[in-house]
Amino acid sequence: NAGVTQTPKFQVLKTGQSMTLQCAQDMNHEYMSWYRQDPGMGLRLIHYSVGAGITDQGEVPNGYNVSRSTTEDFPLRLLSAAPSQTSVYFCASGSHTQYFGPGTRLTVL
Amino acid sequence: KNQVEQSPQSLIILEGKNCTLQCNYTVSPFSNLRWYKQDTGRGPVSLTIMTFSENTKSNGRYTATLDADTKQSSLHITASQLSDSASYICVVETLNAGNNRKLIWGLGTSLAVNP
Repeated sequence: NAGVTQTPKFQVLKTGQSMTLQCAQDMNHEYMSWYRQDPGMGLRLIHYSVGAGITDQGEVPNGYNVSRSTTEDFPLRLLSAAPSQTSVYFCASGSHTQYFGPGTRLTVL
Repeated sequence: KNQVEQSPQSLIILEGKNCTLQCNYTVSPFSNLRWYKQDTGRGPVSLTIMTFSENTKSNGRYTATLDADTKQSSLHITASQLSDSASYICVVETLNAGNNRKLIWGLGTSLAVNP
């Protein structure tokens, strides 16, 4: 039982590049979400999903896309990376009790 | 404005000592209050979740209290261990205008336990 896994752990991008942050869970949770964590700010919700095929925007969705084709996977896509997207990204699974992945530390140059 | 404020911002204690972290919130409507522990370089881990009717909840050496009237919560750590060194984050769940759940995150208290 791996819980929530995220890949990669670290990533450096150049401005304008695109990439996908992977997230998978093996707890059969319907609810999954993506957050970013920046110094001096609380975690901010980017996108969330209440089940396969259903996604919705959080507080800071601009510049990010998500899809949910299966219950297990919830990838986050950066369409055209910008320095403002330098952050630590966490995927979470579960609604009442949330289980967080280990995070992806992204730097955009 | 919905806000969650935590104090102190940082705290240093000696191993074996107790400590109490504070959380004040101005969130309405209130659904529940959560405490998370976040180790450096890791994702947050849930410690406790309390609803309006619960005024205390324990998880091992961690005890959270909630006063819904004054909108205050505290997290008490007993007999601290070096592994308690982490950031402790208070989160309040509410409902937004569309009646969807929303989490209001505090900035956390950074706790260092020294030998």
